[in-house]
Amino acid sequence: QVQLVQSGAEVKKPGASVKVSCKASGYTFTGYQIHWVRQAPGQGLEWMGWMNPNNGGRNYAQRFQGRVTMTRDTSISTAYMEVSMLTSDDTAVYYCARVVVVAATPHIDYWGQGSLVTVSS
Amino acid sequence: DIQMTQSPSSLSASVGDRVTIACRASQSIGNYLNWYQQKPGEAPKVLIYAASNLQSGVPSRFSGSGSGTDFILTISSLQPEDFATYYCQQSYSTPTLTFGQGTKVEIK
Repeated sequence: QVQLVQSGAEVKKPGASVKVSCKASGYTFTGYQIHWVRQAPGQGLEWMGWMNPNNGGRNYAQRFQGRVTMTRDTSISTAYMEVSMLTSDDTAVYYCARVVVVAATPHIDYWGQGSLVTVSS
Repeated sequence: DIQMTQSPSSLSASVGDRVTIACRASQSIGNYLNWYQQKPGEAPKVLIYAASNLQSGVPSRFSGSGSGTDFILTISSLQPEDFATYYCQQSYSTPTLTFGQGTKVEIK
């Protein structure tokens, strides 16, 4: 069965960086886009960007440009997202998600369990 | 950028009620509209894709309609397990995805 298993919770100080991993199993890793979505406490879902695991192509939401890097290691079917220059506003649960195209419409069909990142001095 | 606006932001309803949630796009997005349900402490799950297609395994009391800029999620008879937050999401500008701000469905 398809699974996306993310790395555990992290506590970081302001100004630091955090790297979250997302290990895929149960499907061909290079066949589907991986997107990253975050959710601050009590808030809604915020799309951060996406990556094509096949060729490494990527695109980030404008507000994260210059601060977010998405990478992958196809040998272990794992995607990574690194956020730098953390502030308290980056405290959130970070999700990786697989996008599938059905009826010509992309949508997220599988989500990781989420990784809580807390930024605190 | 395409903006997605949901209404209402929250609602109170009773078991058995018919519930509708609206989602409006800032420009026409055809039928590139998906609906997700999220319960506290869980990842979201897709209910409806391409505006009106029911995801496999989702109860038939959920339905979606609309095209262009205006969309509706309907729950025909609210069940206890349906109390959750619902999000619309556009994929017209894929790979960029945009979510609405969410609608919280609470028990009256």
